Amino acid sequence: DTGVSQDPRHKITKRGQNVTFRCDPISEHNRLYWYRQTLGQGPEFLTYFQNEAQLEKSRLLSDRFSAERPKGSFSTLEIQRTEQGDSAMYLCASSSWALGEQYFGPGTRLTVT
Amino acid sequence: KNEVEQSPQNLTAQEGEFITINCSYSVGISALHWLQQHPGGGIVSLFMLSSGKKKHGRLIATINIQEKHSSLHITASHPRDSAVYICAVKGAGNKLTFGGGTRVLVKP
Repeated sequence: DTGVSQDPRHKITKRGQNVTFRCDPISEHNRLYWYRQTLGQGPEFLTYFQNEAQLEKSRLLSDRFSAERPKGSFSTLEIQRTEQGDSAMYLCASSSWALGEQYFGPGTRLTVT
Repeated sequence: KNEVEQSPQNLTAQEGEFITINCSYSVGISALHWLQQHPGGGIVSLFMLSSGKKKHGRLIATINIQEKHSSLHITASHPRDSAVYICAVKGAGNKLTFGGGTRVLVKP
């Protein structure tokens, strides 16, 4: 197993466009987390899944953001009508059980121009 | 006040020096993580601990649950240790709450 992967690694988009990111967790990890990190800051929690169920969403996740994990494996994070304030690194992590260590992907860096 | 505070924000050391990074938190936790982030964004988990002390190579992490404080020590620091070190606590729902990070630069 090669760890958590994210695609794309970099995305440049114009304000108002929609973007979608993908995260493939470590095989058989039932928990998947999305975090956002702006420049010079620590990451912030966005949402997490246990299998296909989205169990919690942060207040940071506005109506323009939606996340899915349809088959309990990979997850997608979509941002509609992007704004410049959405520019950040979007990190995905997975863990094998509720209290287990989280393993992070390389992140997707989004730049909104 | 942030739930997780790290100090210092920036640290410069000479190769070989002993480095300490501190983390204080104000919420109940089930575990605390120390993470390393290199330029380009990738995050690597160094330690997950809920009590006492853990050691891995030149890295040592300690936690005092009563005082809600943890430290990460780097012994015999090396330029390849240059990175951002992030403290994160695991609370309700097992999601992580992160500190702001400590940027470490080790000069040869």
